[in-house]
This record gives sequence, C-alpha cells and structure tokens, in this order.
Amino acid sequence: DVKVTQSSRYLVKRTGEKVFLECVQDMDHENMFWYRQDPGLGLRLIYFSYDVKMKEKGDIPEGYSVSREKKERFSLILESASTNQTSMYLCASWGGSRGTQYFGPGTRLTVL
Amino acid sequence: SQKIEQNSEALNIQEGKTATLTCNYTNYSPAYLQWYRQDPGRGPVFLLLIRENEKEKRKERLKVTFDTTLKQSLFHITASQPADSATYLCAPVFLGKIIFGKGTRLHILP
Repeated sequence: DVKVTQSSRYLVKRTGEKVFLECVQDMDHENMFWYRQDPGLGLRLIYFSYDVKMKEKGDIPEGYSVSREKKERFSLILESASTNQTSMYLCASWGGSRGTQYFGPGTRLTVL
Repeated sequence: SQKIEQNSEALNIQEGKTATLTCNYTNYSPAYLQWYRQDPGRGPVFLLLIRENEKEKRKERLKVTFDTTLKQSLFHITASQPADSATYLCAPVFLGKIIFGKGTRLHILP
C-alpha cells in the first residue's frame, strides 16, 4: 500500500513565522502535490512537482514556496505566515498511468 | 475553464437504500474520472476510476456511471450503511490534470 505521511497533524504558529510542512511518500512516485482545503472552497492546488528539483505553481501559489530535494519528500513553506493561511493542508502523490492520487492525513494549521 | 459541480447540499439517505451522488462537468470530456471518499479531518481516499469509453464500473456495493453526452457521472452506493457517511469527491482528469469537485456530504440515517 502507498503511504503518504505528513510531519504534523496539528500546528499552531504566529503571524510572521516561517512554517515548514513536510510530506514523504514511499512509492517512488514522480508527482507530488500540495493542496489546501477550506469549508465551501474544496481542494485548491498550491504547488506541484513532477520530478526532483522541479516545481510548478498551482492555482493559489501566493504566499507559499516549495522544495523537492529528494524524490520521496516534498516540502511546503510559508515564508511569513498570515491568518488567512489557517487551513487544512493536504499532500498527495501520484504514480502510474491512471492518475490516482494518494493523500496524506493532512495538517491542520492555525495561524494566530 | 473547466467547472465541476456536485450536489452542494448534504444528502440524507435511509440505511439500506441506494445513495446516488451526481457530478457534472462543463466543456471537454475528461479522459477518466475518479471518485474519492473523505472523512472529517482526514485526507481523501481513492475509491473508483472510470474511463471515457466505459459506461459503468462496479466495486462491491459501489457503482459509477459515466455519460459523456450528458457530461455527467453518477456514483451509487447500494445497501447503504451508516459507515458510508462521509464526503464524496468527484475528480475528473483533463489532459493529465486532475480537478476536484467540492464534494457532497452523505449522511446515512440508521
């Protein structure tokens, strides 16, 4: 079974802090994604990566950056956290031809 | 741009009945369409995939249909159980890009 893990289930940070969210997958997938999910807005794509050191902006990249130094690890960085970044963050990986995404358990981030 | 529409209202179904969820899309037909289940506070979990040239797909109590003329997919859960209560997300894949619907909350009433 594919396993996608995220570094924290719950995180509380203060406005202006730099925040790192980490995601690790164990299936050697090329593609990895970061989403945020908010009530009434569904899943929104922040960034994705299709290979090591490669990254592409998704639909809402502002205020975020990413890093992919190793194939299995994809990090989301909030350079200066703001209260409107309070959300559930979900990481996913995608392998094979069917495009099935495997999600991590999510990190609920609260920015005070 | 592509739009995905799912029932925005929660769906309440009596235990034992069949639950039917709808997913409509605009413009181009996806190469394939996926359905995911999401429980509160958890990540979505893949359930089923149906290809553009398939009319119907089944897996145990789950059935998905795909009508490219109507631009619609239906997701059925037969003999529904309270444990089926969750949010179900439709996710068509267009030109290699997956787009998630906002999901439909399903409540199976005992």
